[in-house]
Amino acid sequence: GAVVSQHPSRVICKSGTSVKIECRSLDFQATTMFWYRQFPKKSLMLMATSNEGSKATYEQGVEKDKFLINHASLTLSTLTVTSAHPEDSSFYICSAREGGGYYEQYFGPGTRLTVT
Amino acid sequence: QKEVEQDPGPLSVPEGAIVSLNCTYSNSAFQYFMWYRQYSRKGPELLMYTYSSGNKEDGRFTAQVDKSSKYISLFIRDSQPSDSATYLCAMSAAGGYALNFGKGTSLLVTP
Repeated sequence: GAVVSQHPSRVICKSGTSVKIECRSLDFQATTMFWYRQFPKKSLMLMATSNEGSKATYEQGVEKDKFLINHASLTLSTLTVTSAHPEDSSFYICSAREGGGYYEQYFGPGTRLTVT
Repeated sequence: QKEVEQDPGPLSVPEGAIVSLNCTYSNSAFQYFMWYRQYSRKGPELLMYTYSSGNKEDGRFTAQVDKSSKYISLFIRDSQPSDSATYLCAMSAAGGYALNFGKGTSLLVTP
């Protein structure tokens, strides 16, 4: 149980284009989803927290207009990197929390974004 | 000072050894403590979850939390080459959902 999927697993795009990454909870309803980015040999940095049906809460320093997050249903959240630049190249990981007092977060397999 | 400190290693041990991984933290509000295992180019996998102080055992894994010292540990008994991965500690405050991660410790178990 508690499986989270991400799609795509890796994507290469040209500078200036937008990329959408999907995060799905496959066997539970995720009241809250989180988006992280991870640089090589670094820890996970929380970008934003999203609750189903409401606007995402972004961490300090994360541009909300650049990283658009939509949590339209209890099983799906999307992260759109708009007007991507090479410095946006990173490993993006989502996680989902079931709610109801459970604090465990279950992570997706991650998406490797390379902007050329 | 980062809220969560974790030695990045790498830590290399022979197969069968007992492995000890540790994190320290500074925020006394942290109540929930987790250990994740992350293989290269994969998302973290939840290994252990502990609330407040105490020990928790699951198979070859034991998690310990000492809130008085702000110190948490993960022990791996009879380590296997398949345990080779990066181990991340994470913690959150009561009522807060955001996880604060350590940098992760890279573990290599050699046959």
